[in-house]
Amino acid sequence: GAVVSQHPSWVICKSGTSVKIECRSLDFQATTMFWYRQFPKQSLMLMATSNEGSKATYEQGVEKDKFLINHASLTLSTLTVTSAHPEDSSFYICSARDPRGPYGYTFGSGTRLTVV
Amino acid sequence: ELKVEQNPLFLSMQEGKNYTIYCNYSTTSDRLYWYRQDPGKSLESLFVLLSNGAVKQEGRLMASLDTKARLSTLHITAAVHDLSATYFCAVATGNQFYFGTGTSLTVIP
Repeated sequence: GAVVSQHPSWVICKSGTSVKIECRSLDFQATTMFWYRQFPKQSLMLMATSNEGSKATYEQGVEKDKFLINHASLTLSTLTVTSAHPEDSSFYICSARDPRGPYGYTFGSGTRLTVV
Repeated sequence: ELKVEQNPLFLSMQEGKNYTIYCNYSTTSDRLYWYRQDPGKSLESLFVLLSNGAVKQEGRLMASLDTKARLSTLHITAAVHDLSATYFCAVATGNQFYFGTGTSLTVIP
């Protein structure tokens, strides 16, 4: 139980195009999901907190117009990287609170984005 | 902003040896987590520590928390090759979640 599915696992796109990454909670409802970015051999950096039915909360330094987050249902949050550039190439991971306990978080499998 | 630092960043150890990874954080928090990440993979939850003095053990890994010192440790006992991975601590306060710098562990025969 408490599985978070992330899709796609990897994507290669051309500079200037947009890419959408989906994060689904498969067997539970997630009113809040989190999006992280991880550059090679670095830690995870929280990009934004996605709230169902309302605007996402972005961390300082994250461009909200570039990284569009939509949390239209209790089981789906999407991250769209708009006008992607090579420097956006990274590993993107979503997570949601694990409903099995008050303190756990479940992470998606991650999406490797390469912009060429 | 809460800062979380891990030490060491890289660790190479022989099988059978013991070692400790340290996680320091800058302000009070509600709970502390330890995760494991294999190359190209997402995060696997290891431990969540909720209170001062908490100690949890799973196999060859043991985690502890000292909230007064704002320090958590992950102790590895008699390391085996399967433990090679990157280990992250993360500190949570409310809904905010901050990851440490990570420790890349390599266990060599």
